[in-house]
Amino acid sequence: AQTVTQSQPEMSVQEAETVTLSCTYDTSESDYYLFWYKQPPSRQMILVIRQEAYKQQNATENRFSVNFQKAAKSFSLKISDSQLGDAAMYFCAYRGEDPPNNFNKFYFGSGTKLNVKP
Amino acid sequence: DTGVSQDPRHKITKRGQNVTFRCDPISEHNRLYWYRQTLGQGPEFLTYFQNEAQLEKSRLLSDRFSAERPKGSFSTLEIQRTEQGDSAMYLCASSLRADSSYEQYFGPGTRLTVT
Repeated sequence: AQTVTQSQPEMSVQEAETVTLSCTYDTSESDYYLFWYKQPPSRQMILVIRQEAYKQQNATENRFSVNFQKAAKSFSLKISDSQLGDAAMYFCAYRGEDPPNNFNKFYFGSGTKLNVKP
Repeated sequence: DTGVSQDPRHKITKRGQNVTFRCDPISEHNRLYWYRQTLGQGPEFLTYFQNEAQLEKSRLLSDRFSAERPKGSFSTLEIQRTEQGDSAMYLCASSLRADSSYEQYFGPGTRLTVT
């Protein structure tokens, strides 16, 4: 089974600074998708950014960008110009390609709690 | 509001009681998922529906758990004879098969506390 590892249980960043959250995964598949989800306190998880493994270009969404290293099986999230509203749990997730007439489940890491200091 | 909704948001029950949770997915989404999330962990997959068919169940889903999705719309998750170990956040998510990455949209969750 695929595994997703987030080795940083908690991180802190000063407002307006940059922070990088780490994620590694284990898979034997060649085609898959990677995601970063944000879960604010007592609120629902929302997608921050996603990366398709066959695309070499790193995904970017405004202040959020990823560093995808396929050979190293690494997928880190960089948050630039951190804002107070970025404080949340961040989960890295992996999903393989769907086999015919079936689906591949998401595998989530254990999360990184991001604190943003004013 | 066109997002995924879940009801109730919080449920406190005594050990041995039955509980039922409801999930209303985004209307055009044909895939629906249930997850369990315990404190300090990421969501763990429980079960998956494509339309009204339950296509996969995790080993985490013991015989005391049952899920339905009649008519391929809303879904219910029932836990019979609850145990303290069932205390967790139960998340529902939905996705649209046409979306190549099958991004999942999550509901706010139902937090279950078994006393």
